Amino acid sequence: DTAVSQTPKYLVTQMGNDKSIKCEQNLGHDTMYWYKQDSKKFLKIMFSYNNKELIINETVPNRFSPKSPDKAHLNLHINSLELGDSAVYFCASSQDIFLTGINSPLHFGNGTRLTVT
Amino acid sequence: DQQVKQNSPSLSVQEGRISILNCDYTNSMFDYFLWYKKYPAEGPTFLISISSIKDKNEDGRFTVFLNKSAKHLSLHIVPSQPGDSAVYFCAASARSSNTGKLIFGQGTTLQVKP
Repeated sequence: DTAVSQTPKYLVTQMGNDKSIKCEQNLGHDTMYWYKQDSKKFLKIMFSYNNKELIINETVPNRFSPKSPDKAHLNLHINSLELGDSAVYFCASSQDIFLTGINSPLHFGNGTRLTVT
Repeated sequence: DQQVKQNSPSLSVQEGRISILNCDYTNSMFDYFLWYKKYPAEGPTFLISISSIKDKNEDGRFTVFLNKSAKHLSLHIVPSQPGDSAVYFCAASARSSNTGKLIFGQGTTLQVKP
């Protein structure tokens, strides 16, 4: 059983379209995240939800909107896609927000490669 | 403004030798440091961590060293094995922020040659 699963794995779309990436975790974790890995390979946090409450909202265009229907799901909706949105998007979860390594590691999904043409 | 940097994009070592991956940080509020390992087409997985109250943490073949005065940490893998070939990410957090925000470096690709 995959602990953190995200779909789709690949997403190719045209500029201006709206798309969603879904994420589900079966670990019983309270906190979920979206990270973006850009062309320079940095993994940057976008959003974090703890018990369905938004706790981190980095400087991300408001075209990106996370939605957490319950603690096990955190979906990412992107409106009016732009070329610069092309990246790999990782969903992750953790038991709590303290991320103290072995006691509360971050569990990542396998990523969604988004290509905007 | 990158607060966590891995200045070596790649490293190649012979099987059985030591691999040393380096990481520098700028934010003195960071009090917990982690290393993640990533294989192609997979998400990063947690490898080892260290608290700022320690200067060394060891787990099997993996040891992380922390030099707070230099704001530098390193991951040592001894002996290196071909299965260790992956991208290694350094990450840091400031637990006092209570936000779960983990700042990652850009990764170092390690290749271990048989």
